Amino acid sequence: DIQMTQSPSTLSASVGDRVTITCRASQSISTWLAWYQQKPGTAPKLLIYKASSLESGVPTRFSGSGSGTEFTLTISSLQPDDFATYYCQEYNNYSVTFGQGTKLEIK
Amino acid sequence: QVQLQESGPGLVKPSQTLSLICTVSGGSISSGSYYWSWIRQPAGKRLEWIGRIYSSGTTHYSPSLRSRLTISVDTSKNQFSLKLSSVTAADTAVYYCARDLFADNGGFDSWGQGTLVTVSS
Repeated sequence: DIQMTQSPSTLSASVGDRVTITCRASQSISTWLAWYQQKPGTAPKLLIYKASSLESGVPTRFSGSGSGTEFTLTISSLQPDDFATYYCQEYNNYSVTFGQGTKLEIK
Repeated sequence: QVQLQESGPGLVKPSQTLSLICTVSGGSISSGSYYWSWIRQPAGKRLEWIGRIYSSGTTHYSPSLRSRLTISVDTSKNQFSLKLSSVTAADTAVYYCARDLFADNGGFDSWGQGTLVTVSS
């Protein structure tokens, strides 16, 4: 099984900050990686697919990069609506694995 | 805009079978190259993919759940379903159904609201 590890687990930041979340895969997954935003009590929302493609309707302050085993999600200028938990997800083969999540908190 | 809705019992006894249905509206479950997945999330924990199905009946299951899992599809009702046997407290979670872009760009682009299933006597 592929293991997905996110860092940090918790991130404190302020409105307007630029933040980066990292996701590492235990083996190469090419660019088969997605990022989600989840708010309490709601389903996850797809932000990024294929490592760097922005899902339709997602603000352009969100961006993704990386390939192989190391990936990043960057929010260029934090907005109040962005404080949530973020998950990465690999889909390299028939199975799927999620990272443990990064909780983005208001500083 | 496709919408998904989970339904089923919120309480299941240990050793029994958990059964959920996902009803798809706003589009046909048979259209395009979409797969349809089940995903769960225990309280405070990471998301766990359970398995997926295509309208033809082709399935892919999580290796850790395969021995207890059946996912099926009813295209006439635009529904797909989950059956997980021999449940324990470890199966307590919010269960989501989602549209799976496995055959395309990947990722899950539409989700149900989720339903809490508690395993307890």
